[in-house]
Amino acid sequence: QKEVEQDPGPLSVPEGAIVSLNCTYSNSAFQYFMWYRQYSRKGPELLMYTYSSGNKEDGRFTAQVDKSSKYISLFIRDSQPSDSATYLCAMTLIQGAQKLVFGQGTRLTINP
Amino acid sequence: DSGVTQTPKHLITATGQRVTLRCSPRSGDLSVYWYQQSLDQGLQFLIQYYNGEERAKGNILERFSAQQFPDLHSELNLSSLELGDSALYFCASARGGTTEAFFGQGTRLTVV
Repeated sequence: QKEVEQDPGPLSVPEGAIVSLNCTYSNSAFQYFMWYRQYSRKGPELLMYTYSSGNKEDGRFTAQVDKSSKYISLFIRDSQPSDSATYLCAMTLIQGAQKLVFGQGTRLTINP
Repeated sequence: DSGVTQTPKHLITATGQRVTLRCSPRSGDLSVYWYQQSLDQGLQFLIQYYNGEERAKGNILERFSAQQFPDLHSELNLSSLELGDSALYFCASARGGTTEAFFGQGTRLTVV
């Protein structure tokens, strides 16, 4: 079983829709949670990070962490064609090795 | 632009050869991470250095090695290359052994 599970999609939605992307994880010691966006053949770009449980909002993006369920989400409001990319969740421990453990990534397409 | 520079961008080499990938972290970042991304495996953590010392090791093959130099740039050495080593290799850097890691644009390695 992978430490972080993420549905690879692909996910295709119309422009303007609300997009929900999710990851589950098995290691309850994870404390920091991140979402990266990766365009084709480019490096992952950090979108948001949150510490422990709760919500964080940044413009059209909202990240949610539910540690009791070991479940994290990224919501994209008013989705745009430029949001079409692969979205990767990542997480890390607060102590010890600080490697980022990534999900497989979800490929998202926003259709005009 | 994340501020992390990787060279070369593309590399084509033959099986059995050795290559060196280079990474210059963002100014002030002490941590450097190396990741391998292939189509079927997603982003796999290879190794992390912090201020010149190895901090964490992931699924890095014995044929691979890395180091971080006093000026904080890092090199990933891949030897006895096999076809299966063809992948995107990413470097990421962070302030400390913490959370907000910024990725370079990657080196695309093709082994023929």
